[in-house]
This record gives sequence, C-alpha cells and structure tokens, in this order.
Amino acid sequence: DAKTTQPNSMESNEEEPVHLPCNHSTISGTDYIHWYRQLPSQGPEYVIHGLTSNVNNRMASLAIAEDRKSSTLILHRATLRDAAVYYCILASNTGKLIFGQGTTLQVKP
Amino acid sequence: DTGVSQDPRHKITKRGQNVTFRCDPISEHNRLYWYRQTLGQGPEFLTYFQNEAQLEKSRLLSDRFSAERPKGSFSTLEIQRTEQGDSAMYLCASSLWDRGSVGQYFGPGTRLTVT
Repeated sequence: DAKTTQPNSMESNEEEPVHLPCNHSTISGTDYIHWYRQLPSQGPEYVIHGLTSNVNNRMASLAIAEDRKSSTLILHRATLRDAAVYYCILASNTGKLIFGQGTTLQVKP
Repeated sequence: DTGVSQDPRHKITKRGQNVTFRCDPISEHNRLYWYRQTLGQGPEFLTYFQNEAQLEKSRLLSDRFSAERPKGSFSTLEIQRTEQGDSAMYLCASSLWDRGSVGQYFGPGTRLTVT
C-alpha cells in the first residue's frame, strides 16, 4: 500500500485560508487521493478526493501536483469547527483506506 | 439519508466474553467497511464487503473475529473470547461503488472496553 507523509500539526487563524500538504511519492497510476477529517470522539468524515485534476466541493479544494507526487487540501476560510485531524490517503480500486497519523489542525480565534 | 448507524455505541465486557456489533449502512450503498481505531492512532482497515460478499480481510482480523453481511444490507462484527487488546473504537463505513473511487461515509463507532 502506497504511503503518504503529512506534517504532524498545523495552526491557522480563524477566517484565513489553510493549505494542508501531503506527499505521496510512491503513488501508482490507479491510486486516488482522498482526504478525510476526524473531530474528537467522532468517526472520520469524507472531505474530498481526486485522481489527476484539481477538485472543488462545498467543503474544500484539492490541488494535485502535475506529477501526482504531492497534493494540498485547501480550506478557503477556516472556522473553529474545522479544528480536526486531517488524513491524506491513497485509495486503490478496492476502496480500502490506509490511514496514517494525519495532521492535527488547530484554528485560533 | 439517515447516515451510517452503529449499535451499540458503547460496550463494556469482561475478558473472554463474546461481543457482537451491528452496522446499518446508508441504504443504497453496496460497499461496507469495518475499521478499528485505538487511542491516538488513525483507523486500521479490518475487512470489507461488496453486497453480501466479503472481498478482503486484513491480517489484523484474527480467527476470533468474524464479520457478516447476510443480505447485503446491515453487517455484524463478532469478536469471540475478547482480550484486553481488543479495546478500541470499531468503525463502520459505507460507499456506493460503481467504478473508480468514491468517498466513504463513516458511522459514529462502537467503543469497546474489555476489562
């Protein structure tokens, strides 16, 4: 299973954009890049996923490097409710998710 | 869409007892996944079903663990002869898989404590 590397923690100010990086240099051609987040005492929440092109949805944007060896999750305006652990995951066609340690995002008021 | 539900939310059991957890996925979802999460760690994949067929099991899933999805709807995860190391949050997720990759929707989890 291909692996991802994320910073352990990041801080952001409320109402400012947040860019969460992820490296996945061993990604294969059929791996999709998924992002999930997990708030304390809750199950993970799907955020966004993509294959090659940048993706936008109501929660976030996903920017994928041209060589697909890295990606960035963008939260356009962080709120206190965005404080969570963010996981970047490579998913094969089986769909099974191999979670790493993720990035703990703190949002300061 | 009522989301993924899991029952019970909490279970305390004594070592050596059997426990069974239930997961009800989002109604039209054909894939159902089980994960386990211990404190401070990310979730670990255990097994998954497409409809009623169990397609993959992790090496983490010892002989004491069994999962079923008899009619392709709800699923159960049973742990026999529980051990203290089984204490964890057990998470269920579902997805509507057609081709490619889709997001999974997680339930709130069942927290198991083995005393």
